[in-house]
Amino acid sequence: EMQLVESGGGLVQPGGSLRLTCVASGFPFNSYWMGWVRQAPGKGLEWVANINQDESDKDSIGSVRGRFTISRDNAKNSLYLQMISLRDDDTAVYYCVRERRFTHGADLLFDFWGHGTLVTVSS
Amino acid sequence: ESVLTQSPGTLSLSPGERATLSCRASQSVSNDFLAWYQQKPGQAPRLLIYEAAIRATGIPDRFSGSGSGTDFTLTISRLEPEDFAVYFCQEYGSSRGTFGPGTKVDVK
Repeated sequence: EMQLVESGGGLVQPGGSLRLTCVASGFPFNSYWMGWVRQAPGKGLEWVANINQDESDKDSIGSVRGRFTISRDNAKNSLYLQMISLRDDDTAVYYCVRERRFTHGADLLFDFWGHGTLVTVSS
Repeated sequence: ESVLTQSPGTLSLSPGERATLSCRASQSVSNDFLAWYQQKPGQAPRLLIYEAAIRATGIPDRFSGSGSGTDFTLTISRLEPEDFAVYFCQEYGSSRGTFGPGTKVDVK
């Protein structure tokens, strides 16, 4: 059975840091692009960052660039999101996602999601 | 960057009825790279449809997608109790994976 299990969320003050972890199982982790999508309370979904199979290609939305770093450890089937300089508007549930590229150019399609971890930025 | 608009915001229907959800893009969607996701309260989203009309693995055939260009539709032919949820459309590929605001399908 495929699983993506996130951890590392919690309450942090503005300007603080957190590191999210996602552990994958049930599929060949090192064969897929992976990423993070977030959902602010009562709001819609927003792609945050993604990374290719060997970490040679990464991308993220402008609002987190320079503050969030995505990485992975294929030996541990794990995906990470290091977040620094956190702001109130980073408050959200962060989902670990598997990206599926059925066709050339069809990036940012997410065919499997974890259950999410809540990050709350508040003083 | 394209903006996705979904309508209606809420759709109130009874089990067994047909649901028709709309997603409109501000710019033409390249290659029909339009997906639909279902999200139930407290759960992660689930991919239903990609490339506008292809059902994802394990998705029942009462779910169908159609459309091209800027106008897309998700149809649920007969609502089952487990189908009451929020549905998001998403443009993937060239548009930074933009999601629509969602349509909530609730019980009338």
